[in-house]
Amino acid sequence: QVQLVQSGAEVRKPGASVKVSCKASGYTFSSYGITWVRQAPGQGLEYLGWISVYNGMTIYAQKVQGRVRMTTDTPTTTAYLELRSLRSDDTAVYYCARAGSSSWSSWFDPWGQGTLVTVSS
Amino acid sequence: QSVLTQPPSASGTPGQRVTISCSGSSSNIGSNAVNWYQQVPGTAPKLLFSSDNQWPSGVPDRLSGSKSGTSASLAISGLQSGDEAHYYCAAWDDSLKGVVFGGGTRLTVL
Repeated sequence: QVQLVQSGAEVRKPGASVKVSCKASGYTFSSYGITWVRQAPGQGLEYLGWISVYNGMTIYAQKVQGRVRMTTDTPTTTAYLELRSLRSDDTAVYYCARAGSSSWSSWFDPWGQGTLVTVSS
Repeated sequence: QSVLTQPPSASGTPGQRVTISCSGSSSNIGSNAVNWYQQVPGTAPKLLFSSDNQWPSGVPDRLSGSKSGTSASLAISGLQSGDEAHYYCAAWDDSLKGVVFGGGTRLTVL
């Protein structure tokens, strides 16, 4: 079955970086994109961006533009989210999800289990 | 403040039909597909209904979605206790060049 499994929880200090991984299985990895969404404690869903696994093209949300980098590794069918210059308001559960092959879609299925990133001094 | 507007809460009794609305603009709902997600607290969101692809496998057909102009809605009939969750609408926004989500609606089964 199609499955996305994410790396474990992380704790970082303000100003540090974090890299979250998302291992995909059960489908042809390069035929889809990967999207990243986060959810701050008690809040709603926030779109961070999308990456084409086929050609590496990325779309980043304006709020994290300049601090975020999304990559994929096709041989290991793994996607990565790196966020730099962390602030306390980056504390959230970060989700990856399989997305469409084009960026202009809000179709995300399925989702990973989520990775809690805590930013605290 | 979310780009897509949803009521913060909705409720119904078992067996009832409940509708959750999602209001947007011409740059998102008005020109792109709307997808609905269900999130049970403490778990990851799950795709529930897509205005383009309708029901993902495993999702019962007592859930249905519709779209008209710059608004969309999700209807759940035959309400069950297992439907208690948060529901989010989402759409691509041509102006923002990104996906926008509604603020979420918490559904309570009384």
